[in-house]
Amino acid sequence: SQKIEQNSEALNIQEGKTATLTCNYTNYSPAYLQWYRQDPGRGPVFLLLIRENEKEKRKERLKVTFDTTLKQSLFHITASQPADSATYLCAPHNYGQNFVFGPGTRLSVLP
Amino acid sequence: SQTIHQWPATLVQPVGSPLSLECTVEGTSNPNLYWYRQAAGRGLQLLFYSVGIGQISSEVPQNLSASRPQDRQFILSSKKLLLSDSGFYLCAMDRVWEAKNIQYFGAGTRLSVL
Repeated sequence: SQKIEQNSEALNIQEGKTATLTCNYTNYSPAYLQWYRQDPGRGPVFLLLIRENEKEKRKERLKVTFDTTLKQSLFHITASQPADSATYLCAPHNYGQNFVFGPGTRLSVLP
Repeated sequence: SQTIHQWPATLVQPVGSPLSLECTVEGTSNPNLYWYRQAAGRGLQLLFYSVGIGQISSEVPQNLSASRPQDRQFILSSKKLLLSDSGFYLCAMDRVWEAKNIQYFGAGTRLSVL
């Protein structure tokens, strides 16, 4: 069955450093992969997506990579700020299937 | 613009009581709608999805049911709540981003069954 793992349940980093979150998936081949941010008590908010034929995607301080051979996506936040503290969810997706989300990584950026 | 309204935001219900959570959307017609549950410390679990009025697909067998009486209304119900029904319930719909479907979520309902 399809399985999605995100590297750690929680990640603490110092303000200004780069946060790197990992998403690994098994038993399927997604056409694209999405990343969402979820703040406590709120619904997830879409951040960006990367297609299977794209190696890297950037949006402001965010960078996502997608390695279909390793079945892995890395999500980077550069120059991290306390306001980046949240839970980040990945969602590898294939056409005709419902969305499946990873368990999330809770990021805390310490001032 | 497209928006999703969920209410109530918080709900405390005794075991065995009925449940009705409502989700309505604005700014679009014939959306695909979804109900998810997020238990404490766990990931999002898809409960139901609907592609149109009266069309409901269930992803997991459980104590809940869903209905779609109108194009932009999606309701999650239970006749008798269990303790295990506690969680954060999210309504979502499809949106298109760069020609791909993504999920757009409502604010959620925090349900505590006591």
